Amino acid sequence: DTGVSQNPRHKITKRGQNVTFRCDPISEHNRLYWYRQTLGQGPEFLTYFQNEAQLEKSRLLSDRFSAERPKGSFSTLEIQRTEQGDSAMYLCASSSLAGGPSDTQYFGPGTRLTVL
Amino acid sequence: AQSVTQPDIHITVSEGASLELRCNYSYGATPYLFWYVQSPGQGLQLLLKYFSGDTLVQGIKGFEAEFKRSQSSFNLRKPSVHWSDAAEYFCVTTGNQFYFGTGTSLTVIP
Repeated sequence: DTGVSQNPRHKITKRGQNVTFRCDPISEHNRLYWYRQTLGQGPEFLTYFQNEAQLEKSRLLSDRFSAERPKGSFSTLEIQRTEQGDSAMYLCASSSLAGGPSDTQYFGPGTRLTVL
Repeated sequence: AQSVTQPDIHITVSEGASLELRCNYSYGATPYLFWYVQSPGQGLQLLLKYFSGDTLVQGIKGFEAEFKRSQSSFNLRKPSVHWSDAAEYFCVTTGNQFYFGTGTSLTVIP
């Protein structure tokens, strides 16, 4: 068990460009979550998957954001036409479907996005 | 909706002193509550969690937390702080997703 991994760790892009982040969850976990964390704030929920199904999306997830988990393993988060307000740390977490809301989520190190 | 409030944005303690980080939750039923720690360059790490049962919960790194329904609180404590405890601490409650507090930044003075 190598934990949750995220790539890249840092991404600098120019406004208007598209970016894609990858998350590899703990192998036996069937739930995968994306969060966004801005400076001085706690992480905010964006979306989550159970296997390959995207079950919930936050209103924070505008139509420029899209997330996929095509085979129920790794996930990608794409931001199109990036804006400076998208600059943040993007966190991925995974959990097993055992007890529902009591499941512990295990977090990756995050991808820090800077939009110039 | 579920939520947690961390009243203290920043706390400074001396190494070896005791620590208490405050967390208040807002939820009608018994909530699920967690404390996570985030160190610079590190991912969020679970310290402890409470679902039901014994209201005093022991966690890793010598941390403990006490669930008090009468005060709607889940405060994190450590009897003797180490310099390596300097980090950001988040109180979390959950439904289908995690709801994070705004965090408390801990500085440890040698």
